[in-house]
Amino acid sequence: EAGVTQFPSHSVIEKGQTVTLRCDPISGHDNLYWYRRVMGKEIKFLLHFVKESKQDESGMPNNRFLAERTGGTYSTLKVQPAELEDSGVYFCASTSGSLNEQFFGPGTRLTVL
Amino acid sequence: GENVEQHPSTLSVQEGDSAVIKCTYSDSASNYFPWYKQELGKGPQLIIDIRSNVGEKKDQRIAVTLNKTAKHFSLHITETQPEDSAVYFCAANSPRTSSNYKLTFGKGTLLTVNP
Repeated sequence: EAGVTQFPSHSVIEKGQTVTLRCDPISGHDNLYWYRRVMGKEIKFLLHFVKESKQDESGMPNNRFLAERTGGTYSTLKVQPAELEDSGVYFCASTSGSLNEQFFGPGTRLTVL
Repeated sequence: GENVEQHPSTLSVQEGDSAVIKCTYSDSASNYFPWYKQELGKGPQLIIDIRSNVGEKKDQRIAVTLNKTAKHFSLHITETQPEDSAVYFCAANSPRTSSNYKLTFGKGTLLTVNP
């Protein structure tokens, strides 16, 4: 069974540019989460999808961040325009539901210069 | 919301020794406490979890204890090996929010096992 995959693994962009991160959850997992770890700090929750619906987006930093999960399969997280403080590692996780293990992807390391 | 504190931030032990990492949480309604291990260049991987209806859980060299009254839980690794070297994160869920299953993480502990 394939795990959670994320693309790209690394992204380096200039301040003000746009970047789109992609997450492919484990097949059949309705729950998809985005998290972010900034410069050695804790991993912080961004938002939670159940299928294509946003269950909780309380962790989204501001309106420069837009997450979508059309069709309830893969998800994208777009940052527009990117700021220096957006640098960090963005993780995606998925689970089949209930209090089951959240399977994490390898993360996308975003660097904003 | 939930707040999770984790200590120590770094821990260095000799191979074969035990390692203990401690976490406290703030929301008494939290009922799921996973521990994740993150190796360089990889995503966090679940190594053990505990639910609030038990006080201790063990899996080979790894054990987790939970004290609901004091709102703290600990990870114990015995007979440490160099391959145990990694960053370890504790986490707790947030039942009072619209996303029961979202996790609040501690800041991580960098464990180094010296041969």
